[in-house]
Amino acid sequence: EPEVTQTPSHQVTQMGQEVILRCVPISNHLYFYWYRQILGQKVEFLVSFYNNEISEKSEIFDDQFSVERPDGSNFTLKIRSTKLEDSAMYFCASSRTGDNSPLHFGNGTRLTVT
Amino acid sequence: ILNVEQSPQSLHVQEGDSTNFTCSFPSSNFYALHWYRWETAKSPEALFVMTLNGDEKKKGRISATLNTKEGYSYLYIKGSQPEDSATYLCAFPGAGNQFYFGTGTSLTVIP
Repeated sequence: EPEVTQTPSHQVTQMGQEVILRCVPISNHLYFYWYRQILGQKVEFLVSFYNNEISEKSEIFDDQFSVERPDGSNFTLKIRSTKLEDSAMYFCASSRTGDNSPLHFGNGTRLTVT
Repeated sequence: ILNVEQSPQSLHVQEGDSTNFTCSFPSSNFYALHWYRWETAKSPEALFVMTLNGDEKKKGRISATLNTKEGYSYLYIKGSQPEDSATYLCAFPGAGNQFYFGTGTSLTVIP
């Protein structure tokens, strides 16, 4: 069964550095998402992406964050100038058609900012 | 920000017991309600997508009901097994494909 893949599984970075988290969504899916979960807290929406542009973003997704779909398969989340509070599990998800399609999640990237 | 609440936060049951938990969501502007199972060290896995008031969906021993007028959904597990131990998340899509997740119910089934 096709699945969403994320790399790396764990990233450790120093405060102030930039990180790029990578995702390969399921190939016939049209909607792509980034979520994060800070330890002990809710899963939080960051951004949704459709038709090669951001369709929705949360308050968390400020100028520090950006997303790209550089080719037909990859979907990346860039975090500039990382802060300690960016430490979290970041999940990529994709769905076929939006609200009524289930989200398919990757296994996540654990980001640790020191 | 839409408020999606789940209760209880955690639950311990004996193997063979049946159990249920609740997801509450805003009853206005309803699009769909999703349930996911999240096992430790894995990613969330979709269980159900529910769209119609009165919907009841079933997958093996797990079933879910939906009441969009009062804004709640129940997830039932019949005859719990240790492999059912996981966190169960509900998610409510708001406008623009933004999903709001509850905090989850952590279920532990004791053999």
